[in-house]
Amino acid sequence: DVKVTQSSRYLVKRTGEKVFLECVQDMDHENMFWYRQDPGLGLRLIYFSYDVKMKEKGDIPEGYSVSREKKERFSLILESASTNQTSMYLCASTWGRSNQPQHFGDGTRLSIL
Amino acid sequence: GNSVTQMEGPVTLSEEAFLTINCTYTATGYPSLFWYVQYPGEGLQLLLKATKADDKGSNKGFEATYRKETTSFHLEKGSVQVSDSAVYFCALNTNAGKSTFGDGTTLTVKP
Repeated sequence: DVKVTQSSRYLVKRTGEKVFLECVQDMDHENMFWYRQDPGLGLRLIYFSYDVKMKEKGDIPEGYSVSREKKERFSLILESASTNQTSMYLCASTWGRSNQPQHFGDGTRLSIL
Repeated sequence: GNSVTQMEGPVTLSEEAFLTINCTYTATGYPSLFWYVQYPGEGLQLLLKATKADDKGSNKGFEATYRKETTSFHLEKGSVQVSDSAVYFCALNTNAGKSTFGDGTTLTVKP
C-alpha cells in the first residue's frame, strides 16, 4: 500500500514564525500536492509539484512556499505564520497519469496563536 | 475550467437506509472520476473510481456509474451502516494527475 506520511498530526505555532510542514511518500510518485481544508470551503490547492525542484502555484499560494529537493519529500513553508493560516493541511501524491487517484496523508492540524 | 458540484449536506440517515449523493461535473476532454471518503481525524482515501463512460466503480457496497450524457457520477449504497458516517468527496482528474474536488458531503448514519 502507498504510504504518505506527514510529520506532525498537530502543531501549534506563534504569529510571525516560519513553519515547515513535511510530507514523505514511499511509492516513487511523480506528483505531490499540498491542500488546506477548512469548514465549508472544501479542499483548496496551495502548491503542487510534477518533479524534483519543480513547483506550480495552486489556487491559494499567497503566504506559502514549497520545496522539493528529493522525489519522495515535499515541504510546505509558511514564511511568516498568521492566524488566518490556522487550518488542516493535507499532503497527497500520485502517478502522473489522469486515471490514477491521489493518495493522502492523515493531515496536520495547524494552529497559529 | 473544470468543476465538480456535489449535493450539499449534511445528510442524516437511519441505519439500513438507501443512500444517494449526487455529483455532476464540468470538464474538457474525458476525465477520470473518483469518490473519496474522509473519516474523522484522517485524510481522504479512495472509495471507488471510473475512467471512461458507462464504467461502474464499486467498493464496500458503494457504487457509482460514469454517465457522460448527464455528466454525472452519483454515489449509491443500498443499506448504510453507522460506520459509513464520514465526509464524501467527488473528484475528477484531467491531465497529469491534478484533481478538482467537490466541496464534500457529510453523512451521518444513526442506529
